[in-house]
Amino acid sequence: RKEVEQDPGPFNVPEGATVAFNCTYSNSASQSFFWYRQDCRKEPKLLMSVYSSGNEDGRFTAQLNRASQYISLLIRDSKLSDSATYLCVVNPQGGYGGSQGNLIFGKGTKLSVKP
Amino acid sequence: NAGVTQTPKFRVLKTGQSMTLLCAQDMNHEYMYWYRQDPGMGLRLIHYSVGEGTTAKGEVPDGYNVSRLKKQNFLLGLESAAPSQTSVYFCASSALGSLQETQYFGPGTRLLVL
Repeated sequence: RKEVEQDPGPFNVPEGATVAFNCTYSNSASQSFFWYRQDCRKEPKLLMSVYSSGNEDGRFTAQLNRASQYISLLIRDSKLSDSATYLCVVNPQGGYGGSQGNLIFGKGTKLSVKP
Repeated sequence: NAGVTQTPKFRVLKTGQSMTLLCAQDMNHEYMYWYRQDPGMGLRLIHYSVGEGTTAKGEVPDGYNVSRLKKQNFLLGLESAAPSQTSVYFCASSALGSLQETQYFGPGTRLLVL
């Protein structure tokens, strides 16, 4: 089983739609989780961290399910500007450097929001 | 603040040539990282550094060397480039490398090895 798995998509949705992405991770000892956003031919940028209690930032909601080892990202009222690839990112804790900030990146889920 | 910068932005090499990619950050971050991103593979860690003068191997270190002589700079070297090293290379930095620490990425270097 790969360490971090995501559906590559693409998810093609109309403006205003609600869309959800899931991501599964294999290392049950993983301690921290993130969603990054990557625009075409650009660098990844942090979208939000994912906390155990779930967290919301405007139209974006992230949830963590430790028992099932998956995290999710919900985008409400999609905008054209949300079109990007969303990367699920996990700190494996005990991987290359333990807690030294080494991250495992999923391959990304591509979202395309259409007018 | 410029954040994380990378030079060059794009480079074409012939097999066997060498080159150095430069990463610079002006955020006084301790941790720096080099990744490569290939289609269908996601970001993979090549080498990283937890402070000036220290480096360590990541997931895919073979064929690369790194140096961190100054805190703000992290250099990635290819001694003898191979077509398999055609990729987009991203540098990143973080303040302390703690569990919730954000990594800030540079704009990337696109490398084509012929």
